[in-house]
Amino acid sequence: QSALTQPASVSGSPGQSITISCTGTSSDVGSYNYVSWYQQHPGKAPKLMIYDVSNRPSGVSNRFSGSKSGNTASLSISGLQTEDEADYYCSSYTNRDSWDFGGGTKLTVL
Amino acid sequence: QVQLVQSGAEVKKPGASVKVSCKATGYTFTSNHMHWVRQAPGQGLEWMGIISPSGDSTTYAQKFQGRVTMTRDTSTRTDYMELSSLKSEDTAVYYCARDLAGSWTVDYWGQGTLVIVSS
Repeated sequence: QSALTQPASVSGSPGQSITISCTGTSSDVGSYNYVSWYQQHPGKAPKLMIYDVSNRPSGVSNRFSGSKSGNTASLSISGLQTEDEADYYCSSYTNRDSWDFGGGTKLTVL
Repeated sequence: QVQLVQSGAEVKKPGASVKVSCKATGYTFTSNHMHWVRQAPGQGLEWMGIISPSGDSTTYAQKFQGRVTMTRDTSTRTDYMELSSLKSEDTAVYYCARDLAGSWTVDYWGQGTLVIVSS
């Protein structure tokens, strides 16, 4: 069982927007801005999409954005494209000096 | 460009140990921490631990303490992760992953090393 809770799956049509939530506690998401999001296509290594809650690395589309409220972080994707179909994982630093991941969310672009 | 190149797939018997290597190029090796993360078949990502830029400090996930050892050879720019007392549940892809400036964010990942534990 993962320390951070994500929905198992979300779906949307091309052009639509979706949001994936990541719920932690005051020991992780709620206390630190070290929240990041990773995209993983089948058989590939994960790719960084968002770091420090809302920062986008160079080369990542501005269709991806991140936010946080209390113990819950969120990843939003606007203008869905077929290539966005993948698994998405959130992560957070914790007060146990460890790094936790969410269980992952499978995004299906219908 | 930054590259993390890991050693090849391994097949081990229960109770054995495995040592995975990760050779880094394209950046100042002693400037960044390195994480190790694993992913069992069809499962999510699981953090195993982190080694400091100089290699003199490690922090392991509680789950793996006593079974995992992470080391760094700065002369060859190579990190190592050794996991002992292997069980079938340790079958997974193991990734080394570079930390982005001490922010508990990974900006580069190795290609992954499949470790199969089977009798």
